[in-house]
Amino acid sequence: DSGVTQTPKHLITATGQRVTLRCSPRSGDLSVYWYQQSLDQGLQFLIQYYNGEERAKGNILERFSAQQFPDLHSELNLSSLELGDSALYFCASSVKGVETQYFGPGTRLLVL
Amino acid sequence: AQSVTQLDSHVSVSEGTPVLLRCNYSSSYSPSLFWYVQHPNKGLQLLLKYTSAATLVKGINGFEAEFKKSETSFHLTKPSAHMSDAAEYFCVVSDSGRTYKYIFGTGTRLKVLA
Repeated sequence: DSGVTQTPKHLITATGQRVTLRCSPRSGDLSVYWYQQSLDQGLQFLIQYYNGEERAKGNILERFSAQQFPDLHSELNLSSLELGDSALYFCASSVKGVETQYFGPGTRLLVL
Repeated sequence: AQSVTQLDSHVSVSEGTPVLLRCNYSSSYSPSLFWYVQHPNKGLQLLLKYTSAATLVKGINGFEAEFKKSETSFHLTKPSAHMSDAAEYFCVVSDSGRTYKYIFGTGTRLKVLA
């Protein structure tokens, strides 16, 4: 157990809908990262937050957004969902200045 | 820009034989490199990391990796495979700048035959 929690574990929804994925980092970790794992794209970095502020953006679609709250948990919002958004979404956290990231179990999203 | 290339998408070994999973990296400066393992329907677990200390890095479950700057390689090895090692393995380079975001290889699926 990495200490990073993600909810829900599974999510099934329809095209055009909006969902919110939640992540709680390890105690004391200020950085949260979001990654998408799909069969065709592999594991891709989406976005990073550090202590509530956006730090870096990767291959994140405009339909996707994220935020990190004062208690350091983070949410990834996916809207106007398409079939191709079906994937495993991972959250990871790390301590400031330390590169090792610890991953949550992931949320498996299926868009029908 | 950093990148990693995992040279084999699938590797099959017999139980009790050595494991070698190959990874080459590209980086304009001294990289931080990691190996993660993903068991079916599970998250990513850190096996080991290289962050410019010893070039031979020991990890969990008997795995180790050697950083070779001259060959830009960071291959993962284990002397004797166990059935429980069957999983997907990812080589990762960290963007050792402001963000430390990870850049993943495409993964190597390890199959262990009885």
